[in-house]
Amino acid sequence: GAVVSQHPSRVICKSGTSVKIECRSLDFQATTMFWYRQFPKQSLMLMATSNEGSKATYEQGVEKDKFLINHASLTLSTLTVTSAHPEDSSFYICSARTYPNYGYTFGSGTRLTVV
Amino acid sequence: DAKTTQPNSMESNEEEPVHLPCNHSTISGTDYIHWYRQLPSQGPEYVIHGLTSNVNNRMASLAIAEDRKSSTLILHRATLRDAAVYYCILRDLDSSYKLIFGSGTRLLVRP
Repeated sequence: GAVVSQHPSRVICKSGTSVKIECRSLDFQATTMFWYRQFPKQSLMLMATSNEGSKATYEQGVEKDKFLINHASLTLSTLTVTSAHPEDSSFYICSARTYPNYGYTFGSGTRLTVV
Repeated sequence: DAKTTQPNSMESNEEEPVHLPCNHSTISGTDYIHWYRQLPSQGPEYVIHGLTSNVNNRMASLAIAEDRKSSTLILHRATLRDAAVYYCILRDLDSSYKLIFGSGTRLLVRP
């Protein structure tokens, strides 16, 4: 089946630095990828939708200058958390549609801890 | 996006069937019903989806009410590995294909 590979699985960074998270679609092309954030004991919150070759669409309340999304190819989307602060510590998950109206495949998630 | 309502938690015994309910009284004619589950510290995993008819796959069955205002995910024989949070989500064909997660049902499986 379709696989979305997400790296790194865990990252610890210092406050003020930037962190890049990668999601790659293996054996399929992902024209659209979605980025979610999940705090402990809470549900997934959609942050943005990224389309290959165009600017990402951010959900209300998500700072586009802080969470930079790039979807330069049909198999790779990246999320960069810029100037990270402890409140950005969370579980970040990407997702891609596999085919129209079928299902969505999720990455395994990245646990970000900002110290 | 149309909303769904699920119980916060449910418990089951291992090797017994589990019926996870979902209410979606404001569902529209173009909304697909999706179910995903999330094991601890992992990304969600696709379980099943349907539009009007009941659906079966190797993981589960989806029973959709005739008026489509509710649905039930059926795990035929629960295993310890099925302990997860199960999310019932409506996805509109006319939307931008976004999946908006609700709070889900935490399923506990007793050995």
